[in-house]
Amino acid sequence: GNSVTQMEGPVTLSEEAFLTINCTYTATGYPSLFWYVQYPGEGLQLLLKATKADDKGSNKGFEATYRKETTSFHLEKGSVQVSDSAVYFCALKSRGRDDKIIFGKGTRLHILP
Amino acid sequence: EPEVTQTPSHQVTQMGQEVILRCVPISNHLYFYWYRQILGQKVEFLVSFYNNEISEKSEIFDDQFSVERPDGSNFTLKIRSTKLEDSAMYFCASSFSGQLRETQYFGPGTRLLVL
Repeated sequence: GNSVTQMEGPVTLSEEAFLTINCTYTATGYPSLFWYVQYPGEGLQLLLKATKADDKGSNKGFEATYRKETTSFHLEKGSVQVSDSAVYFCALKSRGRDDKIIFGKGTRLHILP
Repeated sequence: EPEVTQTPSHQVTQMGQEVILRCVPISNHLYFYWYRQILGQKVEFLVSFYNNEISEKSEIFDDQFSVERPDGSNFTLKIRSTKLEDSAMYFCASSFSGQLRETQYFGPGTRLLVL
């Protein structure tokens, strides 16, 4: 079945460091791919998405490119801030009648000032 | 910006008791969902709801669970007789229909603890 695998956390970085959180997926067909973020005490917020191969999703300085050849959707940011500390979830949704979003386990990110 | 809201934020109950978790989806959204996240595990899909009926449900969503849209704004998840393993964070979500259905907007969650 469909699944998402993302790097284990926690990830600890200093402010202004470069961030990569790896995510790979297994799916039939061409799913839509997402990154959700959960700030402390809050719900899941959609951070960015991509719906087809080679699409790049971007928001708040974060980017991820839909790589079909490597079945990956790695999250990157060039210079992280303390306010980026949160849990990041990679996710996919199959096209068609399938309603559910399938999530990875989440990666906790700590940014040190 | 419109958002999904959930009440209560925390609920503690005794095993065997019934609980009802409440959600107010974004108005003009037509699809509604429940997910749960057991501590340390993945967020898992439970059920989706459209046009006053269940659209899809997972294996987790057994006869102990039910969903309802009792009025034009609320969407509820009922667990009839809670078990210890029902302890989790429960997220409600909603989305538009059609091509926009793929983007689901989540609430802040209800943390349920069954003792």
